[in-house]
Amino acid sequence: SQQGEEDPQALSIQEGENATMNCSYKTSINNLQWYRQNSGRGLVHLILIRSNEREKHSGRLRVTLDTSKKSSSLLITASRAADTASYFCATSFSARQLTFGSGTQLTVLP
Amino acid sequence: DAGITQSPRHKVTETGTPVTLRCHQTENHRYMYWYRQDPGHGLRLIHYSYGVKDTDKGEVSDGYSVSRSKTEDFLLTLESATSSQTSVYFCAIRSGDTEAFFGQGTRLTVV
Repeated sequence: SQQGEEDPQALSIQEGENATMNCSYKTSINNLQWYRQNSGRGLVHLILIRSNEREKHSGRLRVTLDTSKKSSSLLITASRAADTASYFCATSFSARQLTFGSGTQLTVLP
Repeated sequence: DAGITQSPRHKVTETGTPVTLRCHQTENHRYMYWYRQDPGHGLRLIHYSYGVKDTDKGEVSDGYSVSRSKTEDFLLTLESATSSQTSVYFCAIRSGDTEAFFGQGTRLTVV
């Protein structure tokens, strides 16, 4: 079974709007990561947040982590058409495994 | 881009035949992973390796075997391909409990 589950499964917004995706997971983690996948391509790492961190920023990305609720959110501010992709959260409790959710398909309309 | 290459990129094979996919890295990372990606399921872990000749099963390992005789190569073998193994296969590498780098994927079709 998947460790992480993203919500919503699909999200469609206008260019310039903010996009928020959520991830819930089931067990303890060392860190949580977000990845992006453009159609037909491999996944690209966006940001990693450790279990002792609550918020992290990288450019237009903001990630929060609530370990008490076992949830994380990814906020993309001022979305662009080029942000259209699938976004996945991944949880890690050791270097031996990295478990992915089923993803959120984001469509940014120009 | 991280030095990780998958081969072949596309393959069509017949049911019942063995198939081997190759993942090659130039980063000297200890950990290597094979995932499959199917619509509605995201990425599911098939097998992973934590060193030369050290491998372990993931979530969906039935029908698959792996080998890692060198740090740089991680092979995934479908012992007798079935139509349910039609999928996109991704290899990933990590140096530790950190970010992963992915290959471009292998699209496998079993007919």
